[in-house]
Amino acid sequence: DQQVKQNSPSLSVQEGRISILNCDYTNSMFDYFLWYKKYPAEGPTFLISISSIKDKNEDGRFTVFLNKSAKHLSLHIVPSQPGDSAVYFCAASANTDKLIFGTGTRLQVFP
Amino acid sequence: GAGVSQTPSNKVTEKGKYVELRCDPISGHTALYWYRQSLGQGPEFLIYFQGTGAADDSGLPNDRFFAVRPEGSVSTLKIQRTERGDSAVYLCASSPGGVETQYFGPGTRLLVL
Repeated sequence: DQQVKQNSPSLSVQEGRISILNCDYTNSMFDYFLWYKKYPAEGPTFLISISSIKDKNEDGRFTVFLNKSAKHLSLHIVPSQPGDSAVYFCAASANTDKLIFGTGTRLQVFP
Repeated sequence: GAGVSQTPSNKVTEKGKYVELRCDPISGHTALYWYRQSLGQGPEFLIYFQGTGAADDSGLPNDRFFAVRPEGSVSTLKIQRTERGDSAVYLCASSPGGVETQYFGPGTRLLVL
């Protein structure tokens, strides 16, 4: 039973354009959502997060949107850069420190 | 400063053997987490320590898996009677507190033949 789903295994975007990565969840008890970025042979690195009491959080080129009624969140990267090429994981927690991860989306940014 | 380190980086073992995976957290971090990432999947929670005690071990798949953190710093994940299905990358993370402050190590890639 996958509580956090990333239905797009891969995404290819041209440099300078917007990248939009999507994530859906099923557990209405989730109250905190995070995005992690992972390069090969490295551990995931925290990117940005959002509390369930908000619908948007922005940090530089990265913005996360949360739609609680649809149980959907998205990560926007604009403008995309070649260094953004990595696997992006969506994760959620329900008032604990235990993270539930999605399966990841591989983003490739090409020149 | 130094990040989370994990040893060994790679481990190949035979079915039925015992393995130990080590995690050195960031100095001063009170919380430590173990996750397992199988091919094509996201990290899957195994166990979480607050200090020396296991605060949540609900993700350990069965009694072949055990983890300790005797002095509240280094942790060891122990797997008995390994099975081919245990093959995965085992990730460790530490945190000073708070769900968004988990810093991950590079992982130990375990292959059970």
